[in-house]
Amino acid sequence: KQEVTQIPAALSVPEGENLVLNCSFTDSAIYNLQWFRQDPGKGLTSLLLIQSSQREQTSGRLNASLDKSSGRSTLYIAASQPGDSATYLCAAYNAGNMLTFGGGTRLMVKP
Amino acid sequence: DAGITQSPRHKVTETGTPVTLRCHQTENHRYMYWYRQDPGHGLRLIHYSYGVKDTDKGEVSDGYSVSRSKTEDFLLTLESATSSQTSVYFCAIHAGPVEDTQYFGPGTRLTVL
Repeated sequence: KQEVTQIPAALSVPEGENLVLNCSFTDSAIYNLQWFRQDPGKGLTSLLLIQSSQREQTSGRLNASLDKSSGRSTLYIAASQPGDSATYLCAAYNAGNMLTFGGGTRLMVKP
Repeated sequence: DAGITQSPRHKVTETGTPVTLRCHQTENHRYMYWYRQDPGHGLRLIHYSYGVKDTDKGEVSDGYSVSRSKTEDFLLTLESATSSQTSVYFCAIHAGPVEDTQYFGPGTRLTVL
């Protein structure tokens, strides 16, 4: 059974810092890996999808990498802003397009 | 948001009553999913559908049933609601094969008293 872990569970940084969020998974035979953002009381917003044949994806200040052999993915946020404050979730795709989610990292960026 | 709506958005009900949540999509995606989100447990898959009348169980399916009689609608039913089913319920679709990405609805907050 796939298990996904995110460390740290919470993170507080001053504005402008570059930061890395970590995601690890136990079954390296994943299909894809997706990063989401969730604001309090809201739904999930897709940030980046890394397909199994790719090693990284970039969107603006966000860069996500995937290393299937080590069972790890990282989300890099450059020049963090208060508006980046949210919970970030990673999810591994398994057979049947089913997702297994990590517990999330709650990020606070202080002005 | 990939044209996904959920109804109702909020519901308070009593233990033992039946509850049906609806997920509606406008883009004819084949795969649809129901998840629940709870503090300390994260998001967990309840049931999913891979076509009209084709459904299967997820990780936490006990106490829930689903139906999909039309491509656009995926219904989640709690036959007899319990307090342990108080949660936020999210519907999702899989947009593929080009995008190959799941998109989520806005969620339904269900409270069972």
